Amino acid sequence: KAGVTQTPRYLIKTRGQQVTLSCSPISGHRSVSWYQQTPGQGLQFLFEYFSETQRNKGNFPGRFSGRQFSNSRSEMNVSTLELGDSALYLCASSRGSLNTEAFFGQGTRLTVV
Amino acid sequence: EDQVTQSPEALRLQEGESSSLNCSYTVSGLRGLFWYRQDPGKGPEFLFTLYSAGEEKEKERLKATLTKKESFLHITAPKPEDSATYLCAVQSGNKLVFGAGTILRVKS
Repeated sequence: KAGVTQTPRYLIKTRGQQVTLSCSPISGHRSVSWYQQTPGQGLQFLFEYFSETQRNKGNFPGRFSGRQFSNSRSEMNVSTLELGDSALYLCASSRGSLNTEAFFGQGTRLTVV
Repeated sequence: EDQVTQSPEALRLQEGESSSLNCSYTVSGLRGLFWYRQDPGKGPEFLFTLYSAGEEKEKERLKATLTKKESFLHITAPKPEDSATYLCAVQSGNKLVFGAGTILRVKS
């Protein structure tokens, strides 16, 4: 079966711009979570969506937002980009509660210049 | 606050040299502890979920165990293709809290 698909794989943006990343979960999975991965901070939780509702949010500024559509696909938006937003952004999907297996996509490598 | 600490930060092994990676955690009410493998430039790949102390799971050369305070990932007779970063995470509410990972290098 198809895995978690994230697009685009790579992105270069300029400070001050905004960006939208996309995540298509595994078919039948209703939960989508987003993580930021950097060498210094490791994997940090951004937010989680289930059935189009945000269930949990990490400690990131309001510039980071997301949404989930009725087909469970999710988008993450970052506005007013800063150099520190350069990171690998990962999404993970799971059936429902997270104490089942969560499967990650390949990630989107965002570089802010 | 829920916390996950992995040790060592990096580990170099010779092919066939067995060892263990450690993941210690503090969480209010463990609902699941997860092990992932991550290769450079890729997303984490799911390995195991453990739910309660005393539980063990195996997959090829890997065996994960769980106590009330820590989990171990035992690697038996590793091969160069086992080289990767191994991540441990605990479930906290509806999110995963990850450790910093252990970078494993297996030399032939």
